Amino acid sequence: EPEVTQTPSHQVTQMGQEVILRCVPISNHLYFYWYRQILGQKVEFLVSFYNNEISEKSEIFDDQFSVERPDGSNFTLKIRSTKLEDSAMYFCASSEPTSQGNSYEQYFGPGTRLTVT
Amino acid sequence: GESVGLHLPTLSVQEGDNSIINCAYSNSASDYFIWYKQESGKGPQFIIDIRSNMDKRQGQRVTVLLNKTVKHLSLQIAATQPGDSAVYFCADRGAGNTGKLIFGQGTTLQVKP
Repeated sequence: EPEVTQTPSHQVTQMGQEVILRCVPISNHLYFYWYRQILGQKVEFLVSFYNNEISEKSEIFDDQFSVERPDGSNFTLKIRSTKLEDSAMYFCASSEPTSQGNSYEQYFGPGTRLTVT
Repeated sequence: GESVGLHLPTLSVQEGDNSIINCAYSNSASDYFIWYKQESGKGPQFIIDIRSNMDKRQGQRVTVLLNKTVKHLSLQIAATQPGDSAVYFCADRGAGNTGKLIFGQGTTLQVKP
């Protein structure tokens, strides 16, 4: 069964450093998302991406964040200068297109645990 | 703003009993709702979804009920098994067509053998 994969599973970085979180969405999917989950809290939407551009972003997704689809398979989230409060699980998700456009069902990866010290 | 919430942070049930997990949402324009299951150390896993033009949808051992009048959503799990132990989140699709999901806080389901 196809699945979304993410690397690394755990990333430890110092405050102020740049990190890149990587995702490989399901191959025929065209809609991509990043979410984050601070420990013990709910999953929060960060950004959605379609047709090589951001379609929506949340207030959390400020200028320190960026996303990219550098090739036909990877989808990345970059945080330019990490802060302590960026520590969280980051989930990538993808969904397939339908005749009406965006499919509703999103498939999530296993997440990357980011720890900022 | 939009919000999705669950009534109980933790639900403990006996193996074999039925479980009911509840959720309330605030956006009356929401047209799509999903339940996800999250096991420790894993990403959310799709369980079942329902569109706003339906009141009920059944899957394998799971049923989702939608009451648009009171903006309430529930997940019923029949014959709960130890493997059902996890955190359950409801989510609704935010306004617009970008696919953004708005998640609730989560209910931890504990199944006692």
